[in-house]
Amino acid sequence: GNSVTQMEGPVTLSEEAFLTINCTYTATGYPSLFWYVQYPGEGLQLLLKATKADDKGSNKGFEATYRKETTSFHLEKGSVQVSDSAVYFCALSPNRDDKIIFGKGTRLHILP
Amino acid sequence: GAGVSQSPSNKVTEKGKDVELRCDPISGHTALYWYRQSLGQGLEFLIYFQGNSAPDKSGLPSDRFSAERTGGSVSTLTIQRTQQEDSAVYLCASSLSSGNYNEQFFGPGTRLTVL
Repeated sequence: GNSVTQMEGPVTLSEEAFLTINCTYTATGYPSLFWYVQYPGEGLQLLLKATKADDKGSNKGFEATYRKETTSFHLEKGSVQVSDSAVYFCALSPNRDDKIIFGKGTRLHILP
Repeated sequence: GAGVSQSPSNKVTEKGKDVELRCDPISGHTALYWYRQSLGQGLEFLIYFQGNSAPDKSGLPSDRFSAERTGGSVSTLTIQRTQQEDSAVYLCASSLSSGNYNEQFFGPGTRLTVL
């Protein structure tokens, strides 16, 4: 079946540190891949997406590359800020399907 | 413009009671989705509507859960005979049309607590 596995948190980093949150997936066919973010007290929002192999999604300094050979979609940011503190969800939408399958989420704390 | 809205924002009910949760999608969005976010299970898909029909109900956890959509707009998720394990945040999302390339926009959720 389809599933997403992401690193468990919480992850605590100092401001300006490099961030990686690992995500791997299992899916048949060619899913679309997403990272969603949930800031404290706010709703879930799309951070970035990639719809085919080798695509790189990017937004707000975050990047993730769709790696079909390793079935991965790791989230990276070169220099995190306190305002990046949030819960990050890796997700996929199976090919020719509409629902989103989410990972468990990774809580990120950035210390000033 | 206005985003996805959900009501109520919080609902506390007693075990065995029925509850109705409402979702107003973004105007013009034909696809509507319900998800559940709970501590133990994370974010789970429940049901999806394209227009007024529901091509995928595979995530509904039991026959106590049902949903409908009328006029291609507002949707209601109904939980009958609520149980404590139904306690969760229920999220609604909408997208311009179906298909996995279309971004889903999420509402703020309804926090349901079953005592």
